[in-house]
Order: sequence, then structure tokens, then C-alpha cells
Amino acid sequence: KQEVTQIPAALSVPEGENLVLNCSFTDSAIYNLQWFRQDPGKGLTSLLLIQSSQREQTSGRLNASLDKSSGRSTLYIAASQPGDSATYLCATLTGTASKLTFGTGTRLQVTL
Amino acid sequence: GAVVSQHPSRVICKSGTSVKIECRSLDFQATTMFWYRQFPKQSLMLMATSNEGSKATYEQGVEKDKFLINHASLTLSTLTVTSAHPEDSSFYICSARPRSIGAEAFFGQGTRLTVV
Repeated sequence: KQEVTQIPAALSVPEGENLVLNCSFTDSAIYNLQWFRQDPGKGLTSLLLIQSSQREQTSGRLNASLDKSSGRSTLYIAASQPGDSATYLCATLTGTASKLTFGTGTRLQVTL
Repeated sequence: GAVVSQHPSRVICKSGTSVKIECRSLDFQATTMFWYRQFPKQSLMLMATSNEGSKATYEQGVEKDKFLINHASLTLSTLTVTSAHPEDSSFYICSARPRSIGAEAFFGQGTRLTVV
């Protein structure tokens, strides 16, 4: 059974800092890994999708990497802004039923 | 990206009544949709996989008679919470993914259910 862990659970940084969020998973037989953002009381917004054959994906100030063999992914946020404050979730897609398994999330607060 | 619409966003109901939540994929066909439940400050827990034209597949520990799922078309799945109780109060989120293996998953806005 896939288990996904995210570290740290919470993070507070001043505006402008670069930061890294970590995601680890136990079953490396994944189809892909997806990073999401969730604002309080809202649904999930997809940020980046990395297919199992890829090593990284970039979108604007976001860069996600994937090391499938070691079961790790990182989300790098450059020049953080207060608007980046949210909970960030990673999820892996595995199995014949193509289920997403979510991590526990990292609550990010970017302060002025 | 693709859009998944979930309705209502918020509902309050009396204990013992039933509540229906709709999930629509607006610009792609989804043979499979997923329903999740999220408790405060926790991650998403998969409740069931909704398959178009067939019965839903429920995760272990999820009561299929309480959480009725119907996937009548390629763009619509519904979750009905029957005989709701206060412990059913939660945030429910649906997801849909285009047919191809490894395709990106898109999520609805979520429904905050409060049972009083």
C-alpha cells in the first residue's frame, strides 16, 4: 500500500525567500506524481504533474523534481510571495485502479 | 486546465435527511470519477471510485449504503449522503481524470457539509 509523507508539516518564511517542500513515497511503481495547492475551505488546484519517465517540471516560479528510484519529490518555490500561502499536497498515481494517494500536506505561510 | 464543477459548495441539513452533491467534468469525458473526504487539517481520504455505467468501488470502511454514488453519464457523478448524522459533517471533494493512463487529475471546489 502506497504511503506518502510530506515534510515539513508547516513552514513560515518571509517574503522573497526560496523554499523547498519535500514529498516521499514508499512504492516507486507510480504512473505520475502531482503537486496541488489548497486554499482554506477550497478544492485543489493542480500545480505540476510529473510523469514517471520525467525528472522535473517547471511552471513559472515553481519547479518540481522526481527521483522515482529513491521515492522522493521536491517542490521548489522561488521568490515566495504572500499569495503563495496555502497548503501544498503531493499525490502519486499508482495501481491498476489508478488511484491517487495523497501526502499529509505542508502548510505554508509567507509573511510580509 | 480542465474544469471540474462541484455543487453545492456549502450545505447545511438536518440530521436524518439526505443530501446530494454533484460533480461535473465540463470539458472532457470522465469514465472514472473519485470522491474524497477531508477532515480538518488532514489530507484527502479516498471514499470511492465512480465508474460510468457501473457500480462504484468503495474503499474499505466506507459504507456504500450511506454514501450512494451514481455515475449516470461521462460528465456527471453524484454522491448522496443518506440519513445524514452530525459525524458525516465534513468537506467532500470530487475528482475527474481524462481517460488516458497517467493523465492529470482535476478537482472540484469541494462541498462543506454540516449536519445539525
